[in-house]
Amino acid sequence: GQNIDQPTEMTATEGAIVQINCTYQTSGFNGLFWYQQHAGEAPTFLSYNVLDGLEEKGRFSSFLSRSKGYSYLLLKELQMKDSASYLCAVMDSNYQLIWGAGTKLIIKP
Amino acid sequence: GAVVSQHPSRVICKSGTSVKIECRSLDFQATTMFWYRQFPKKSLMLMATSNEGSKATYEQGVEKDKFLINHASLTLSTLTVTSAHPEDSSFYICSASLQGRGGQPQHFGDGTRLSIL
Repeated sequence: GQNIDQPTEMTATEGAIVQINCTYQTSGFNGLFWYQQHAGEAPTFLSYNVLDGLEEKGRFSSFLSRSKGYSYLLLKELQMKDSASYLCAVMDSNYQLIWGAGTKLIIKP
Repeated sequence: GAVVSQHPSRVICKSGTSVKIECRSLDFQATTMFWYRQFPKKSLMLMATSNEGSKATYEQGVEKDKFLINHASLTLSTLTVTSAHPEDSSFYICSASLQGRGGQPQHFGDGTRLSIL
């Protein structure tokens, strides 16, 4: 079966750095997406990785290792507004998105 | 770019009512649109995938007669919850992508919070 694993919840301090991991087992791979979802709101697109390596976009970076079935989302200089759920999703060989359950990130002052 | 508009944002209605939710891609043509349902503190659950001009593909366990999907144009898809009951109360979210394949992200509407009394 297809499976996406990410931690349920993480806590970090304002101004610090946090890394949210995602491991996956899917039938085929056509890219990995990270989305941010604030409580009561729809998800917003953060990043897309299809090749191995690090993609940097401002305070957020996303890393992919296809051989290990592993990705992480790195958030730097954390702000209170970064408190949200972070969803990892993998596009399989049928171009279907397989969603992880999300990681709830709590930022403390 | 890539703005998706979903309307209405909130619906409260009596049991037995049918509710229509619209999803529009405002600045791009969406080959494929997706309808999700999300319960509180749970992950997104894909209900169906719709391609313009063809019948929607429903996920296992989703009743196609209960959740009617129409994707009549490249910019509009609608979800109609027929004869809604309290158990249909949920957060419904649509998304649209430029293509059905090849690494295009899904862009989400703001969601519709449906409450059936």
